[in-house]
Amino acid sequence: EAGVTQFPSHSVIEKGQTVTLRCDPISGHDNLYWYRRVMGKEIKFLLHFVKESKQDESGMPNNRFLAERTGGTYSTLKVQPAELEDSGVYFCASSQVGASYEAFFGQGTRLTVV
Amino acid sequence: AQKITQTQPGMFVQEKEAVTLDCTYDTSDQSYGLFWYKQPSSGEMIFLIYQGSYDEQNATEGRYSLNFQKARKSANLVISASQLGDSAMYFCAMREASGTYKYIFGTGTRLKVLA
Repeated sequence: EAGVTQFPSHSVIEKGQTVTLRCDPISGHDNLYWYRRVMGKEIKFLLHFVKESKQDESGMPNNRFLAERTGGTYSTLKVQPAELEDSGVYFCASSQVGASYEAFFGQGTRLTVV
Repeated sequence: AQKITQTQPGMFVQEKEAVTLDCTYDTSDQSYGLFWYKQPSSGEMIFLIYQGSYDEQNATEGRYSLNFQKARKSANLVISASQLGDSAMYFCAMREASGTYKYIFGTGTRLKVLA
């Protein structure tokens, strides 16, 4: 069974540009999460989808970030325009619905804004 | 507010010895889950072990065990018989038992196993 996959693995962009990160969850997982880790700090929650619906986007830093989940399958996270403080590793995770199910994480996308 | 604290930014352990990675948490919820994830240099987050707040027994998974002390709000990870491949970043996390089930993570502990 394929795990959670994220594209690209690395991205280096200039301040002001746009970047789109993609996440393909494990098939059948209705829960999809985005997290971000800024260098040396904790991994922070960004938002949560159940199927195609946003359940919680309280962690989204500002309106430069836009997440979508088309048809309840893959998800994209767009940053437009990117700022220097957006640099970090963006993780996607998916899980089945239920409190005892662990989330499976992708390898992350390392975003560097220069 | 929920919070996870990992006070050890870095740890060393000799191969074949046991090591304990500390984790304390803060929550007002009665029902929650505690998790440990391993992040090797390749970047992926690997699930290690889970402890539910109502579980009376400490969770164990192979060489990993979770020393759960509910009154102290601690959930320390114990790795027995350390191996070189255990060198990685380790994250403690707490998850809500309702709502979004989102994770709250600590800052992580970097473990280095010495040969």
